[in-house]
Parts: sequence; structure tokens; C-alpha cells
Amino acid sequence: DQQVKQNSPSLSVQEGRISILNCDYTNSMFDYFLWYKKYPAEGPTFLISISSIKDKNEDGRFTVFLNKSAKHLSLHIVPSQPGDSAVYFCAANTGGFKTIFGAGTRLFVKA
Amino acid sequence: DADVTQTPRNRITKTGKRIMLECSQTKGHDRMYWYRQDPGLGLRLIYYSFDVKDINKGEISDGYSVSRQAQAKFSLSLESAIPNQTALYFCATSAPGGSETQYFGPGTRLLVL
Repeated sequence: DQQVKQNSPSLSVQEGRISILNCDYTNSMFDYFLWYKKYPAEGPTFLISISSIKDKNEDGRFTVFLNKSAKHLSLHIVPSQPGDSAVYFCAANTGGFKTIFGAGTRLFVKA
Repeated sequence: DADVTQTPRNRITKTGKRIMLECSQTKGHDRMYWYRQDPGLGLRLIYYSFDVKDINKGEISDGYSVSRQAQAKFSLSLESAIPNQTALYFCATSAPGGSETQYFGPGTRLLVL
């Protein structure tokens, strides 16, 4: 049973446009949601997180939106840059150690 | 220098062989984790450790064992490697509290023939 789902394996966006990566979850007990970014031959790196008591968190070009009623979150990247091309993992936890990861979405930003 | 290091970075082995993957960290975190990544499945937790004396199984621990030699070192062993253990393996650390952000090593790519 996948508690965190990223239904789009890949996404292609033109440089300068908005990238929207989506994530759905099933466990209403999750307290935190995180996005990690992974380049080839490197480990995932933390990008941005949001607490379940908020509906939006922004950090520069990156914004995460949380819709608890729909059990859905999204990561917006504006404007997208070629260096943003990577695999993005959505993750969630209950404020404890056990983090559940989605399968990842590969983002291609075309110059 | 990287905060979380893994050795080896790449390894090819044969079915039935015992191998060890090593992880070291300089972040001073007590919590350490081993994950494997497979295409289409994301990251799955193999084992985790809250301190040197506390080691716990994750969701896919069968066929694996671990050793926490020190706060900074956490090793993963495959006692008798099999081909479906071919995967990308990541070590990670975290500090307790808040969103439990994890810090990952660069990964070990393992191929079992």
C-alpha cells in the first residue's frame, strides 16, 4: 500500500515557465511533508517542507501547497531553470523518524 | 568534505557472496538509516538506528543485517547476495524533532550477478 504517490513519472517544462509537481497521500496522520531533489550519481537533498497546520510554504522560487481535504500537495517552481532538471521525491512523516517516500518525478527543464 | 559518505560507490558481486556497505557521517546525528531505491518504487527503508545500542528493522529488512559501530558509522551487510538485491543504496542521518529532515550520502550502486 503506497501511502505517498507521485503519479507522474516525468514532466517536461520550458525554461522560464512554471513547473508543478504533484503528490497524493492516504494517511491523514502525517504531520510533515517534504520535497527532496536528486541529481544523477548523488544522494537526495532536502528542498522544502511544510507542516500539516499550514497550507503554503515558500522559499525563493520554490513553493509547496498543501490541500489536506484532498490529501494532495504540490511543488511549484517559478521560473524553472535548466539546473532544476532532477528527480523530485515527495515524502511525508508523522513527526517521527519514519519517512515515507513517493516514487519520484523526473523533471526536464528545456533551455 | 561531504557530511555523509558511503563506500564503495559501485560494487559488482556474485550471487551468494557476502558484502558490506559502509556509511560514515560527520553531522553528529544520532539517527541513521539505510534505504534502497528501485525504479518506480522510490526509497524504501531497510534498517534504522537511533543510537549505537538501538537498531530496528524497516519495511524490507529480510536478507540484510546492520552494525552500528559508533555514532558516526553504520554498516549494511548482505549475508548472501541475490540478484533482486541489485539496487541503489543510500545511507541517511537525521536529528530528532520538527520535520525530521534527512541528509543522504551519495549512494552505492550494487549489481548482483
